[in-house]
Amino acid sequence: AQRVTQPEKLLSVFKGAPVELKCNYSYSGSPELFWYVQYSRQRLQLLLRHISRESIKGFTADLNKGETSFHLKKPFAQEEDSAMYYCALSVILGGGADGLTFGKGTHLIIQP
Amino acid sequence: DVKVTQSSRYLVKRTGEKVFLECVQDMDHENMFWYRQDPGLGLRLIYFSYDVKMKEKGDIPEGYSVSREKKERFSLILESASTNQTSMYLCASSFARGREKLFFGSGTQLSVL
Repeated sequence: AQRVTQPEKLLSVFKGAPVELKCNYSYSGSPELFWYVQYSRQRLQLLLRHISRESIKGFTADLNKGETSFHLKKPFAQEEDSAMYYCALSVILGGGADGLTFGKGTHLIIQP
Repeated sequence: DVKVTQSSRYLVKRTGEKVFLECVQDMDHENMFWYRQDPGLGLRLIYFSYDVKMKEKGDIPEGYSVSREKKERFSLILESASTNQTSMYLCASSFARGREKLFFGSGTQLSVL
């Protein structure tokens, strides 16, 4: 079964502290994973994808196939990081189309 | 920049009404999707389309239908709205060429009274 699990509904950390948002997946093929972010009153947008191996806004995520994880990390949280974060897995839908299955999301709150 | 436009930001409808949610994209994307977003449940796929007039059910299609008569437009239809369809509805689009990222609209918050 194709599944994405984000165990934390809510994560609250202080400004300047490290942040780790957890994501685990279940997929029989070669996985491709994404992190999407939704800031208050803004549309959902791509934060990063694992094949890019890039750092966006100080965030990084490493695909660990052994642990089937794709945790999102940032060493020093900033107040503007407060948002809803969704981990997503690329899947093959009906008709052979590519789509995404999402986790339930983690609401990150950065306290001043 | 890719633009995915949803026609309404807020809608209030009555139980039993037929509701149309419209989505238009301007990047010639083959794939279009409708998700609903609920607190604690994340995003759940309702329907998607990978070509004009082609549609496939997602994870929660019951009570919904879709229409894609033109490549740029994908409509979600609630045949007879019910209170449990009160939700945020998100439209998204992408290219078909393999594991492309999704571009999202700003969402329609539908309240069914």
